[in-house]
This record gives sequence, C-alpha cells and structure tokens, in this order.
Amino acid sequence: QQPVQSPQAVILREGEDAVINCSSSKALYSVHWYRQKHGEAPVFLMILLKGGEQKGHEKISASFNEKKQQSSLYLTASQLSYSGTYFCGTSVSGTYKYIFGTGTRLKVLA
Amino acid sequence: DAMVIQNPRYQVTQFGKPVTLSCSQTLNHNVMYWYQQKSSQAPKLLFHYYDKDFNNEADTPDNFQSRRPNTSFCFLDIRSPGLGDAAMYLCATSRGLANTDTQYFGPGTRLTVL
Repeated sequence: QQPVQSPQAVILREGEDAVINCSSSKALYSVHWYRQKHGEAPVFLMILLKGGEQKGHEKISASFNEKKQQSSLYLTASQLSYSGTYFCGTSVSGTYKYIFGTGTRLKVLA
Repeated sequence: DAMVIQNPRYQVTQFGKPVTLSCSQTLNHNVMYWYQQKSSQAPKLLFHYYDKDFNNEADTPDNFQSRRPNTSFCFLDIRSPGLGDAAMYLCATSRGLANTDTQYFGPGTRLTVL
C-alpha cells in the first residue's frame, strides 16, 4: 500500500537535473512532497490536488497523473541545499490514514 | 512564529523504563499526529487526534499510548521501551483531515534505548 518511489538514491553534480517518481497501487486523490535533511523533520514542499496538475516552487516543480496513479518531482539546476531525502505522501483512499512513500535519497556534489 | 515544538530533542532511557515525549503547537490546529521513523525509513504513522478523538493505527503496538489534554499539547507514552523502539519520533499537526491539509512537523525527538 505504501507508494513506491524511484530511484531509491541519486547523486548529482551542482547544476544537474533530477526526476523523482512516486507510484501508487491505489488511487491517489492528492500528493504531498516533502524534503527531509539528515536528523531533521520533513519540510513540506508542495501539494498537488488534481490529476494533471503541475506546480512550481523556484527550481522545484511537480506533476500529478491521476490516471497513472503517480506523481513526479522535478529538480532543475540542482543546488547543494537540495540534498536530502524526498518523500511523497498521500492519504489512503476512504480513510484518514496518511502514508509516506519509500523515499529517495538525493545528494548534490559541488 | 507559529510552530510545532517537541521536547526533549534527545531522550535516553533504559530497557523497560517508561518514557514520555512531549509535543506542543501554536498553530491552533485540530489534528495532531505521532510518527515513528527508523533509520533510512519513511515516517510511520502511530496515531492521531482530531480534537479529542483518538485514532490508533491497527499495527501500532499496545506499548505506545497517547494523551492530548488540550488543543496545544500531545504526549506520547512508551510504557516499556524495547531496543526496537529506538527511533526518531515526529509530531505533526494539520488544520484538518482533508487530503488538502498540509502537515507541519516538529523537529523530532531521538529516542535511544539502552
């Protein structure tokens, strides 16, 4: 039931781009994206509510394909500060249970 | 600034010795959550309160209890900590339970069990 993220880990050089995918076996009604730095709490990045919705946040954007039950997070021109673990999160349909994806560890090198 | 505060940030306890973790919020949110996060894993929801209504996840061990005496405070009680309970415990709040409601996390309490 837990959304599966891919890749599990990625290493980038500063300025490179990355895509992180979040796929669910269940219908998704909304997707949240968080970034968590080591030893810190997850920080909310953005929420996507409708199928096909795309949102942007500086050089970080995301899309949501309701039919494919997946969301993708796009990081462009990555900066050192982008390093951390990225989680997608969603509510389990028909319940109030909130569940995080498996996580993607991203490291940006100078 | 409105925020979610957790105390203590680091807690060391002995095997079997009860421990209480604290969370407070100034956001005046209706919902408070407790998550357990083990190393290299995603946060796992233990339970949540909507106002005074308590909702326990089916797979949360009985060893874990929670109290919410008022809107601002929520406590996590671990009655008899085992070595497997060593983890980061995250408190979060949200305005409601709709899928549009964002969760705001506290800094976490790292629990060590000796």
